[in-house]
Amino acid sequence: AQTVTQSQPEMSVQEAETVTLSCTYDTSENNYYLFWYKQPPSRQMILVIRQEAYKQQNATENRFSVNFQKAAKSFSLKISDSQLGDTAMYFCAFISTIMYSGGGADGLTFGKGTHLIIQP
Amino acid sequence: DTGVSQDPRHKITKRGQNVTFRCDPISEHNRLYWYRQTLGQGPEFLTYFQNEAQLEKSRLLSDRFSAERPKGSFSTLEIQRTEQGDSAMYLCASSSQGVRTDTQYFGPGTRLTVL
Repeated sequence: AQTVTQSQPEMSVQEAETVTLSCTYDTSENNYYLFWYKQPPSRQMILVIRQEAYKQQNATENRFSVNFQKAAKSFSLKISDSQLGDTAMYFCAFISTIMYSGGGADGLTFGKGTHLIIQP
Repeated sequence: DTGVSQDPRHKITKRGQNVTFRCDPISEHNRLYWYRQTLGQGPEFLTYFQNEAQLEKSRLLSDRFSAERPKGSFSTLEIQRTEQGDSAMYLCASSSQGVRTDTQYFGPGTRLTVL
């Protein structure tokens, strides 16, 4: 079974600063996908960024980028020029690609989340 | 393009009652997932449909839980004889089979409170 660990329950930074959220995972599989989702207060889960394990290049989406270290099983999220609207719970998630081969699916495995607060 | 919708958004029920939630996925998505999220935790996978077939169920899904997806469109999740421990946010997500198939898009959730 896969596990996802987010070791920072809460982080607080000033607006416009850069912040990095950490995530580590444990799996015996070689092919999988990793995601960061954002869940603002009382609002729905939104995809921030995704990374395919077979790609060495780190994914980027505007102010969001990841540092994917496959050997270390680490997948951190960097938010540059943080904005007040970035305040939310951030969840790291893992899914095996086996499901897409008809082998069954366990769905996404999530970490416990990091509560990110952007201070004005 | 409408996103994933869920109904109701909130449900308060008494212990022992049955409840049913509905999820409408993004129209072209053939995969549908149910998750449960308790306070302070990340979502936990419950079950998964590809078209109308229920392909996977978590051990979290006790016999009191049943899910259906008739005709491969909307899905319902029913909880029978609710218990206080069932109080949680129930999230639905959908994705499509094909290139970049693995990205799941979530609905707003149904918050269940069992008194």
